[in-house]
Amino acid sequence: AQTVTQSQPEMSVQEAETVTLSCTYDTSESDYYLFWYKQPPSRQMILVIRQEAYKQQNATENRFSVNFQKAAKSFSLKISDSQLGDAAMYFCAYTIPGNQFYFGTGTSLTVIP
Amino acid sequence: DSGVTQTPKHLITATGQRVTLRCSPRSGDLSVYWYQQSLDQGLQFLIQYYNGEERAKGNILERFSAQQFPDLHSELNLSSLELGDSALYFCASSVDLGLDSPTGELFFGEGSRLTVL
Repeated sequence: AQTVTQSQPEMSVQEAETVTLSCTYDTSESDYYLFWYKQPPSRQMILVIRQEAYKQQNATENRFSVNFQKAAKSFSLKISDSQLGDAAMYFCAYTIPGNQFYFGTGTSLTVIP
Repeated sequence: DSGVTQTPKHLITATGQRVTLRCSPRSGDLSVYWYQQSLDQGLQFLIQYYNGEERAKGNILERFSAQQFPDLHSELNLSSLELGDSALYFCASSVDLGLDSPTGELFFGEGSRLTVL
């Protein structure tokens, strides 16, 4: 069964510093997709970044980057130069083509001014 | 704006009642997903439809049902409501071109906040 695990219920970071959120997943598939979603206090779900498993290069979106370790089934999110607006719940998600999306339990990120 | 529209945004009702939540996916998206998020909880997958057909079912109660119509909009029906059904209900859509095509990400609506008193 596919599962997604986020072992850090809460994290905090000083403004302008860097923080890494962890995510591991369990799968026997070779073709799959990974995502990080952000849910700010408004509760809107916003896509932060996506990674295709067949791509060895780690995805990057401005201050957000991932460390994708396929063999270890690890998909961590690094936020650089943290800003107050980054405070949110972050969800890691996994899917395979044509299938449902599996979400982790989330990590609540606090940004300290 | 994700392009996914959910109505109503807020709904307050009493126990034992029935409500219908509506979702219009992004133009061109064939898959619709429903998720339930209780206070300070993660996302619980309820059900997925693809082009009018049920594709996957998660932890959806028997009191809940859903369907996707020919114009691809979807409705989630919640009946015999209980206090514990109070939650934020998200609809999401994706392109989902099939098993042999790259997977698009989920685009979420703003959610329907249901309060059962």
